[in-house]
Amino acid sequence: EAQVTQNPRYLITVTGKKLTVTCSQNMNHEYMSWYRQDPGLGLRQIYYSMNVEVTDKGDVPEGYKVSRKEKRNFPLILESPSPNQTSLYFCASSLVLPGYTEAFFGQGTRLTVV
Amino acid sequence: KNEVEQSPQNLTAQEGEFITINCSYSVGISALHWLQQHPGGGIVSLFMLSSGKKKHGRLIATINIQEKHSSLHITASHPRDSAVYICAPLTTGNQFYFGTGTSLTVIP
Repeated sequence: EAQVTQNPRYLITVTGKKLTVTCSQNMNHEYMSWYRQDPGLGLRQIYYSMNVEVTDKGDVPEGYKVSRKEKRNFPLILESPSPNQTSLYFCASSLVLPGYTEAFFGQGTRLTVV
Repeated sequence: KNEVEQSPQNLTAQEGEFITINCSYSVGISALHWLQQHPGGGIVSLFMLSSGKKKHGRLIATINIQEKHSSLHITASHPRDSAVYICAPLTTGNQFYFGTGTSLTVIP
């Protein structure tokens, strides 16, 4: 089954404790991206990757890091989480640029930073 | 700054009604996605379009690139259509922008 898998689904952590949210897709997609969703602000793009070892900043990259060492995986790293990073996070992938093909989304990761 | 404006923000309809959700954007785009987010939070891509019109079952999406406007129509609405619908233009610089969503409730 074609899917984008995020882990964990729920995470509560403390300020400053490094964490990684994993994202994996099984469709051999080139394009992957991360978003955060906040009430009243909607979805905002954090980072995206057009292929292995190619990443670029989205609209709200501050406080986040990503890496794309393999095509299937695109982890989101919070080196020193802060409470303003409490949010619902989504990973997505598409075969090529999402302007040309359908985008597939993970189920979301609800992160709370206390 | 609001590059994407959706209307209405909230919509309640009786089962069977024809529904229209509108999206206006200010950026130059290469394509536009319509997304559906159910109460559980999962997001599904309904349409990706760069011109004209697409139809999938009871859903129809249209886009007018010159007027920077897209619409999502639902014919013969059903309670299972209750969800948040999100307009997502993709800029020519490969960046997604998102509307804040339209929350649709269809009453039996």
